[in-house]
Amino acid sequence: NAGVTQTPKFQVLKTGQSMTLQCAQDMNHEYMSWYRQDPGMGLRLIHYSVGAGITDQGEVPNGYNVSRSTTEDFPLRLLSAAPSQTSVYFCASKGSNYGYTFGSGTRLTVV
Amino acid sequence: AQSVTQPDIHITVSEGASLELRCNYSYGATPYLFWYVQSPGQGLQLLLKYFSGDTLVQGIKGFEAEFKRSQSSFNLRKPSVHWSDAAEYFCAVGPNQAGTALIFGKGTTLSVSS
Repeated sequence: NAGVTQTPKFQVLKTGQSMTLQCAQDMNHEYMSWYRQDPGMGLRLIHYSVGAGITDQGEVPNGYNVSRSTTEDFPLRLLSAAPSQTSVYFCASKGSNYGYTFGSGTRLTVV
Repeated sequence: AQSVTQPDIHITVSEGASLELRCNYSYGATPYLFWYVQSPGQGLQLLLKYFSGDTLVQGIKGFEAEFKRSQSSFNLRKPSVHWSDAAEYFCAVGPNQAGTALIFGKGTTLSVSS
């Protein structure tokens, strides 16, 4: 099925651990982005990419790294997890006519 | 600066009553406007979007929204609320300055009483 696939769906990390949240899309979209959702804060933009090899920071980039080696994949890396990074993470891609497709989310808990 | 304001954090409506969720935006050009709904523990579902043309937009599940440029608003309405409409609703505007992503409001939680 065409869309945005995020893995894992759930993850518990200990403070200081690292991990990568995976995001893949099969719609050949150039634009992709990562958001975090926290209660009462809506969705805030972490990083985005306008194509393979091009990434930039969004509103809340601290503590996160991204790369875009292919059009399909846009992984989000937490180098040293902190409790403040406990959140729900959404990946999205933007197609033609401003059709935004969101993944189903990754619920991350840092203890 | 580009931003979206949803003035109501939480709204309770009786089942069968009408609903209006408010959304105001700040945007330098003609905005693209969206409403999403999120049920607990679920992802985002697009209700409707406005790009141009008729300022009254029809969406799924019986929702509609009206774009009012003079008021910088894009309020969501439904004539008769069902218990299954209880969820969190997000208004969004785009694209951001980089042209890639959406800017979201903080959301309005809708509760439906019987």
